[in-house]
Amino acid sequence: DAGVIQSPRHEVTEMGQEVTLRCKPISGHNSLFWYRQTMMRGLELLIYFNNNVPIDDSGMPEDRFSAKMPNASFSTLKIQPSEPRDSAVYFCASSGNLGTLYEQYFGPGTRLTVT
Amino acid sequence: AQTVTQSQPEMSVQEAETVTLSCTYDTSESDYYLFWYKQPPSRQMILVIRQEAYKQQNATENRFSVNFQKAAKSFSLKISDSQLGDAAMYFCAYNRRGQFYFGTGTSLTVIP
Repeated sequence: DAGVIQSPRHEVTEMGQEVTLRCKPISGHNSLFWYRQTMMRGLELLIYFNNNVPIDDSGMPEDRFSAKMPNASFSTLKIQPSEPRDSAVYFCASSGNLGTLYEQYFGPGTRLTVT
Repeated sequence: AQTVTQSQPEMSVQEAETVTLSCTYDTSESDYYLFWYKQPPSRQMILVIRQEAYKQQNATENRFSVNFQKAAKSFSLKISDSQLGDAAMYFCAYNRRGQFYFGTGTSLTVIP
């Protein structure tokens, strides 16, 4: 299994531009999570999906952030317009709830820099 | 609300020695899962060990073991025979029905 795949690995953009981060979860997993990690705030849960449906988006900072999961194998996190304070590492993770597979598997992360 | 607390922002250990990282959590549930994740400088989050709350036996994975005290809501990680490659940020995490909560992490330095 290739694990959780995220793209791009690095993104540098200018303030005001739209940014789209992509994630492919592990096949068979039905829960997907988006996290943001910064030195100041640590690891923050932004949103999570179960069976492609958003369950908890209370961590989404503001309306500039949106996430979609059109099917079981793909999700996007979009920031429009981006701001310098959005600079962080964004992680996608997936989890299954079959048997004892309750741990999350993380992707390698996308390092976003907004100038 | 469930919260996870790691009270040690930084820890250090001499190579080959043993170190224990602390974690406490708050929950009113009886059925849940606990995890320790490692994040080395590469920033990849790696699962180290997991514990099912209904199991009284402490989980062990090679040099890594936990001390799970359910009544005290404590879940510490012990690393034996520490190696330079153990240097990383360690996160404690709680999962109940798909809801995950992470602690703020403990940065572990291994001194040669």
